Amino acid sequence: NAGVTQTPKFRVLKTGQSMTLLCAQDMNHEYMYWYRQDPGMGLRLIHYSVGEGTTAKGEVPDGYNVSRLKKQNFLLGLESAAPSQTSVYFCASSRIAERSYEQYFGPGTRLTVT
Amino acid sequence: RKEVEQDPGPFNVPEGATVAFNCTYSNSASQSFFWYRQDCRKEPKLLMSVYSSGNEDGRFTAQLNRASQYISLLIRDSKLSDSATYLCVVNKGGYNFNKFYFGSGTKLNVKP
Repeated sequence: NAGVTQTPKFRVLKTGQSMTLLCAQDMNHEYMYWYRQDPGMGLRLIHYSVGEGTTAKGEVPDGYNVSRLKKQNFLLGLESAAPSQTSVYFCASSRIAERSYEQYFGPGTRLTVT
Repeated sequence: RKEVEQDPGPFNVPEGATVAFNCTYSNSASQSFFWYRQDCRKEPKLLMSVYSSGNEDGRFTAQLNRASQYISLLIRDSKLSDSATYLCVVNKGGYNFNKFYFGSGTKLNVKP
């Protein structure tokens, strides 16, 4: 049981390049999320998904796209990378529960855009 | 105004000390509350949920004050291994979405 995994762990892009970050979870969770974490800002929600085939915008969606074609995978795409997208990206998942909505996080992807 | 606000610290305390962090949230409709721990360059991990009646887990005690819209975390008998950043997290719940709002974290340094 690997939990939440993310690939790649590190990446350096040049401005204008594109890439896709992959998140996978093996806990059969309905909800999945992409966050970015910047110094002093806390985690900010980029996009999220409440189930296979559905996605929604979070707090900072501009410049990113996502897809959830399979329940266990949530992809984050950067079509044309900008230096402002230099950040640590975390994927998370959670189950639907009556009381607790604990999120489980992947190890993160450190992205630098030059 | 930020959804969740925390004192960034750092809180520098000696081993064995008791330390408390507070966190305030802006939306009175918030339903669930959590403390997460994040070690340097690692992912956040759930430390404990915060229940209305308050709850304790070993050396850690969490309290919720809905009237004043704040959450607290008390750590007793601090250990070196408690050094980390503590994130306050608030969830608005609801069936059709499940959004979490994170504070920017409070850094704790426990020194020998």
